Amino acid sequence: DQQVKQNSPSLSVQEGRISILNCDYTNSMFDYFLWYKKYPAEGPTFLISISSIKDKNEDGRFTVFLNKSAKHLSLHIVPSQPGDSAVYFCAASAGSGNTPLVFGKGTRLSVIA
Amino acid sequence: ETGVTQTPRHLVMGMTNKKSLKCEQHLGHNAMYWYKQSAKKPLELMFVYSLEERVENNSVPSRFSPECPNSSHLFLHLHTLQPEDSALYLCASSQDKGSYGYTFGSGTRLTVV
Repeated sequence: DQQVKQNSPSLSVQEGRISILNCDYTNSMFDYFLWYKKYPAEGPTFLISISSIKDKNEDGRFTVFLNKSAKHLSLHIVPSQPGDSAVYFCAASAGSGNTPLVFGKGTRLSVIA
Repeated sequence: ETGVTQTPRHLVMGMTNKKSLKCEQHLGHNAMYWYKQSAKKPLELMFVYSLEERVENNSVPSRFSPECPNSSHLFLHLHTLQPEDSALYLCASSQDKGSYGYTFGSGTRLTVV
């Protein structure tokens, strides 16, 4: 059973608009969440993270929101740029990092110029 | 250059072959990981090594055999694979097993024929 779910396999957004990528999780022990970005023929690269003690973390155009009661997090990219086109993976860890990261299936974002 | 180098980038092998995937990191990290990415599936954790000791093995079939001769190198030995083992195999490293920020390699695209 998947513990980290990204239910949208793909998303298309116009350049300049907001991209919202969603992630749900089932394990209430998860206490740290990360987003990774992956371009074709490259490995995933770390983008942004959030601890369960926070509900928002912002880094430039990227903001991650965490709703613990709903076991839901989202990544907002604004404004979206064509270079943001990639696959975005949500990942989670439990026990203050003592367990390896658990990943979702990924969402392919296409930003259209 | 991500700091984690995987070779080969592509590999085609028959079901009776024996081959090895190599991963190398010079980031001074103490933990290394093998993940498998199949189409339309989450990244699946296969093995975790911490300070050259295997600390996790996620019910991976014995036809996959990891080896970590030192903290900079990780191998995945393959023998008598099945076509369903065709996937992207990703190596990652982190400062320690409890660290969140993984650095991934570009992966090896494996095709079993």
